[in-house]
Amino acid sequence: DIQMTQSPSTLSASVGDRVTITCRASQSIGIWLAWYQQKPGKAPKLLIYKASSLESGVPSRFSGSRSGTEFTLTISSLQPDDFATYYCQQYNSDSRTFGQGTKVEIK
Amino acid sequence: QVQLQESGPGLVKPSETLSLTCTVSGGSINKDYCSWVRQSPGKGLEWIGYIYYSGNTKYNPSLESRVTISVDTSKTQISLKLRSVTAEDTAVYYCAREGGTSWRAFDIWGQGTLVTVSS
Repeated sequence: DIQMTQSPSTLSASVGDRVTITCRASQSIGIWLAWYQQKPGKAPKLLIYKASSLESGVPSRFSGSRSGTEFTLTISSLQPDDFATYYCQQYNSDSRTFGQGTKVEIK
Repeated sequence: QVQLQESGPGLVKPSETLSLTCTVSGGSINKDYCSWVRQSPGKGLEWIGYIYYSGNTKYNPSLESRVTISVDTSKTQISLKLRSVTAEDTAVYYCAREGGTSWRAFDIWGQGTLVTVSS
């Protein structure tokens, strides 16, 4: 099984900060990685697919990148609406696995 | 715009079978995959399995022995059955579409339904 290791588990930041969340796959998954945002009591929302493609309607301050089996979600300037939990997910071949999540809190 | 909505009993007794339905409105899942995902209270997301519109399925190995996902002939209802449940199966259960334009990332989600396993 492919394991996804996401870090940090919690991140404290202020409005306007640049925020980076990392996800590492236990084996090669190519570009097949997505990022989701989840707010309390709500379903996850797709932000990024294919490692770096921005989902329609998602603000451009969100971006994704890949280096081998390491993937990064960057929020260029944190906004009040961005305080939430973020999950990475691999969808290579026939399996899907989520990372453990990163909670972005107000500093 | 396609929408998904989960429905089913909110309370299931231990050892019984959890049965949920995901209803597709505003279209169907023709040529799409749909997954079930669950989230235990205060925990992360766990993929349960997916089904293709043709009926082909793939399950999480950790749940495979207890799970069945099926789709009806109209491609507007996707069912989840999880057998022999325990308290560890208490969770919010989501269905999600693996979208073509998002290259099978989960682009549309239902609102989720909480299932509690308790006697």
